[in-house]
Amino acid sequence: QSALTQPPSASGSPGQSVTISCTGTSSDVGGYNYVSWYQQHPGKAPKLMIYEVTKRPSGVPDRFSGSKSGNTASLTVSGLQAEDEAEYHCSSYAGNNNFAVFGGGTKLTVL
Amino acid sequence: QLQLQESGPGLVKPSETLSLTCTVSGASISSSSYYWGWIRQSPGKGLEWIGSLYYNGNTHYNPSLKSRVTISVDTSKNELSLKLRSVTAADTAVYYCASPYSNGWSFFDQWGQGTLVTVSS
Repeated sequence: QSALTQPPSASGSPGQSVTISCTGTSSDVGGYNYVSWYQQHPGKAPKLMIYEVTKRPSGVPDRFSGSKSGNTASLTVSGLQAEDEAEYHCSSYAGNNNFAVFGGGTKLTVL
Repeated sequence: QLQLQESGPGLVKPSETLSLTCTVSGASISSSSYYWGWIRQSPGKGLEWIGSLYYNGNTHYNPSLKSRVTISVDTSKNELSLKLRSVTAADTAVYYCASPYSNGWSFFDQWGQGTLVTVSS
């Protein structure tokens, strides 16, 4: 069982927006601004999309955005494109040098 | 350009030690002020952080694996290594080497391709 809770699936049509949630506790998501999001296509390594809640690495489209409220972090993908179909994983620092606890992943389907 | 490449046995017997190596090219582990880590993904499941090593040799481990894990560096070969002792079938996973490749530590921006390790007799 994963430390952070994500919905197993999400979907949207091309051009629409979709938001994926990631719920933890005050000991991880709610306690620190160290939430990251990864995109993973089948058979590939994860790719960092968002770090430190809202920051985007160079090269990641601004269609991807992150936010946090209380113990829940969210990833929003705007203007959905076919290539956005993938698994998305969230992670958070959990204190006491526990660098990263992960969610179980959300399969995003572009209809 | 940073490249990470995992290598090691694809099959390990239960109760034995899993040993993997990550060859780093494009940067020096010992002179880059970065963290270098291992993450695994069991078949069909989520990701799990195993541990991270700072360039000066300091290590941090997942509390649930800490008693069985050692991460170290061979500076002469610019390689990161992972040893996981007393493995069981639950340790079957794709193992990734990764790094923030920046002053960060809570995220991983550069990843190897991963290597599948199966624990079975």
